[in-house]
Amino acid sequence: ETGVTQTPRHLVMGMTNKKSLKCEQHLGHNAMYWYKQSAKKPLELMFVYNFKEQTENNSVPSRFSPECPNSSHLFLHLHTLQPEDSALYLCASSQQQGNNQPQHFGDGTRLSIL
Amino acid sequence: GDSVTQMEGPVTLSEEAFLTINCTYTATGYPSLFWYVQYPGEGLQLLLKATKADDKGSNKGFEATYRKETTSFHLEKGSVQVSDSAVYFCALRNTGRRALTFGSGTRLQVQP
Repeated sequence: ETGVTQTPRHLVMGMTNKKSLKCEQHLGHNAMYWYKQSAKKPLELMFVYNFKEQTENNSVPSRFSPECPNSSHLFLHLHTLQPEDSALYLCASSQQQGNNQPQHFGDGTRLSIL
Repeated sequence: GDSVTQMEGPVTLSEEAFLTINCTYTATGYPSLFWYVQYPGEGLQLLLKATKADDKGSNKGFEATYRKETTSFHLEKGSVQVSDSAVYFCALRNTGRRALTFGSGTRLQVQP
């Protein structure tokens, strides 16, 4: 139990569907992150939120739309995805202050695009 | 920009063998360094960290020392077990930046 819960664990969707990934952290952290982990590629940072405000967007296509309603919840809304978007999507959280604070990860959502 | 380089895997060892996974980094300033482990079907778990030069992080028999002179943070374990089979990621977090910069990961396979 890492304190970061992601749902669903697995998701299969067609390219025209709309779905959302959910992340919830119970650690009292104020920064949350979305990462994409594809086979044979390094972990890619997608978005960073700090106190509900987006502070980083690493040139992510608009078919991925994040939402952070409060410091404990983070969503990733998906629509019109492509087959290359199939990957493990990891959510993480951390304390904002200090670069010595580690990130705590959820178990991820395994996304498959048909 | 910041970057982390890890040795390519997979690393295949027999049980009770000595493990070293190399990690070097490029960063300005004084980053903190981390090792994460990812078991099959799970997310990343923090294994250990070091926040300044010459610090040694340790956990579950794993160790890594922050070497500023060689910009390295190599992961070591004296005697690996089958249960250590996983992917290991080296990462850094630089001053003023919230996100981590990860290496590409090294898969460790331990055979009985």
